[in-house]
Amino acid sequence: TQLLEQSPQFLSIQEGENLTVYCNSSSVFSSLQWYRQEPGEGPVLLVTVVTGGEVKKLKRLTFQFGDARKDSSLHITAAQPGDTGLYLCAGGRGNTGKLIFGQGTTLQVKP
Amino acid sequence: GAVVSQHPSWVICKSGTSVKIECRSLDFQATTMFWYRQFPKQSLMLMATSNEGSKATYEQGVEKDKFLINHASLTLSTLTVTSAHPEDSSFYICSAPTEGSGSYNEQFFGPGTRLTVL
Repeated sequence: TQLLEQSPQFLSIQEGENLTVYCNSSSVFSSLQWYRQEPGEGPVLLVTVVTGGEVKKLKRLTFQFGDARKDSSLHITAAQPGDTGLYLCAGGRGNTGKLIFGQGTTLQVKP
Repeated sequence: GAVVSQHPSWVICKSGTSVKIECRSLDFQATTMFWYRQFPKQSLMLMATSNEGSKATYEQGVEKDKFLINHASLTLSTLTVTSAHPEDSSFYICSAPTEGSGSYNEQFFGPGTRLTVL
């Protein structure tokens, strides 16, 4: 059972375009994180959202946590080739420290 | 930020041999570490939770005798793949919760170890 559904799983766009990645669940999470991973490396934390309805911005990246803390989105404005990578959402539940990962979105930005 | 290292970064071994992968927290202590495996273009799959001073907790479907975990100190956890077979070839990644993350579950990830079993 996949608790976090991430979509789309693959995305290929031209430089300058906007995109949104979605992360949905029927479960409530105490926190939700977005990571970016490049080939052959470990994931790097981009942001953590913890409050329902929270919106965080990181330069051209905008992260939103749903009001019910069951879903999240990542919006990238004017994508650049350097944004290429695997984007992972991950939800935290309780105080076990465990993270539940979505399937990941492979983003390719063509120059 | 906190740094987690892994060693080796890649390893090639013959079928039937055992391989040990180390995960270290370089500038902080980690009573808990997590081990994941990842197949190409796929997400991370949690294998087990490594607990300092006690037995590891394995996720459903992960063979305890196949993947031995030892958390010998507050900065070191090891994963040993015993009697490795080609189907064990994968990218293994460890992580450690950030200090003071509380219930946020934020984690720092190691750079991963690419295991290839011939």
